[in-house]
Amino acid sequence: ILNVEQSPQSLHVQEGDSTNFTCSFPSSNFYALHWYRWETAKSPEALFVMTLNGDEKKKGRISATLNTKEGYSYLYIKGSQPEDSATYLCAFPNNNDMRFGAGTRLTVKP
Amino acid sequence: GAGVSQSPSNKVTEKGKDVELRCDPISGHTALYWYRQSLGQGLEFLIYFQGNSAPDKSGLPSDRFSAERTGGSVSTLTIQRTQQEDSAVYLCASSLGQDNQPQHFGDGTRLSIL
Repeated sequence: ILNVEQSPQSLHVQEGDSTNFTCSFPSSNFYALHWYRWETAKSPEALFVMTLNGDEKKKGRISATLNTKEGYSYLYIKGSQPEDSATYLCAFPNNNDMRFGAGTRLTVKP
Repeated sequence: GAGVSQSPSNKVTEKGKDVELRCDPISGHTALYWYRQSLGQGLEFLIYFQGNSAPDKSGLPSDRFSAERTGGSVSTLTIQRTQQEDSAVYLCASSLGQDNQPQHFGDGTRLSIL
């Protein structure tokens, strides 16, 4: 079974703090690594799709890095805002399915 | 236009009844995915279609679950003889078809089995 693991499970930070969390995935048969943001009462929204080892992608205050050789990706949020509060999911395509991690639930306190 | 559309948004039914959930993907998206999220759980992959074909149905939780996609567009997920453990939010997503393309999710169907 190929598992996608995310840590921490939950995170509470103050507004303005920078934070990061981890996604680990199988390093063999790598195709791509997806990051999604899932806000309460909404549907998941794609943040990044990463394919190349060493890749770094950025969207506003959010960025992500990828290490396919060791099987991990980091998501960084700079200067967290309350609207960043959500569950952040990573996902790993595996043949004909898509394996999602359990997510990191981020709460940003004003 | 359109995003991924799912219907119904909510469904309450009695144990033992059959239910049909519908997903209308973004036009031109060849790949379509079904997931479910049970209470307190993460996203569980159910099935994937490339065009009308589902290469692997082993993600479906039991033989009471079936899915089809016709015309490379709309998909239906059918649950026969529903059980209380089928209660969940069922999400559909579509993409342009390769693993390096992001998935676009619908708002889901919240299914409650009494």
